[in-house]
Amino acid sequence: DPKIIQKPKYLVAVTGSEKILICEQYLGHNAMYWYRQSAKKPLEFMFSYSYQKLMDNQTASSRFQPQSSKKNHLDLQITALKPDDSATYFCASSQDGTKSYEQYFGPGTRLTVL
Amino acid sequence: QQKVQQSPESLSVPEGGMASLNCTSSDRNFQYFWWYRQHSGEGPKALMSIFSDGDKKEGRFTAHLNKASLHVSLHIRDSQPSDSALYFCAASNMGYKLTFGTGTSLLVDP
Repeated sequence: DPKIIQKPKYLVAVTGSEKILICEQYLGHNAMYWYRQSAKKPLEFMFSYSYQKLMDNQTASSRFQPQSSKKNHLDLQITALKPDDSATYFCASSQDGTKSYEQYFGPGTRLTVL
Repeated sequence: QQKVQQSPESLSVPEGGMASLNCTSSDRNFQYFWWYRQHSGEGPKALMSIFSDGDKKEGRFTAHLNKASLHVSLHIRDSQPSDSALYFCAASNMGYKLTFGTGTSLLVDP
């Protein structure tokens, strides 16, 4: 059974629209993260949450907003979508956000903005 | 400039051969290093971590860390076709935020 669920797997959006990427983890972890993988670029850290509190935000734009309604959920809302936002977005989790525990990654949501 | 650089960009080895991947960091604050593997269409999966100078062996995989030179390497012996994937070096200084390298694409020819 998948331990980290991301929905949807593929997403196509038009420029200017808004989308929400869903992430749920069933590993009992207390820390969750979002990363982005664009073509020809390394995986890029976006956010980290620990015990449902924002720990770090490395995105330059307020168009990206994480939302944590439950301890094991961390969704990503993206507003005013741009073609440059096209990428695969990975959710990850770890036991704790304060130490270097292994981060487990979900299968990703591939977003294409037209 | 990327804080974590990997080489080579791509690598091809015969089945049963040895694959050697390299990673160099430009940030001396990085204390923790990981190797992740990503198969096509999947998320990255941790292979192993290395936090102390020296070698660490896990099965067919051996990682080496030299903190003085900020160099990490991964050696895969007896390479298998299933090892064909993207390999990422990742580093962190506080544990939670991983900075990923540029990646090495490994192809193991059967």
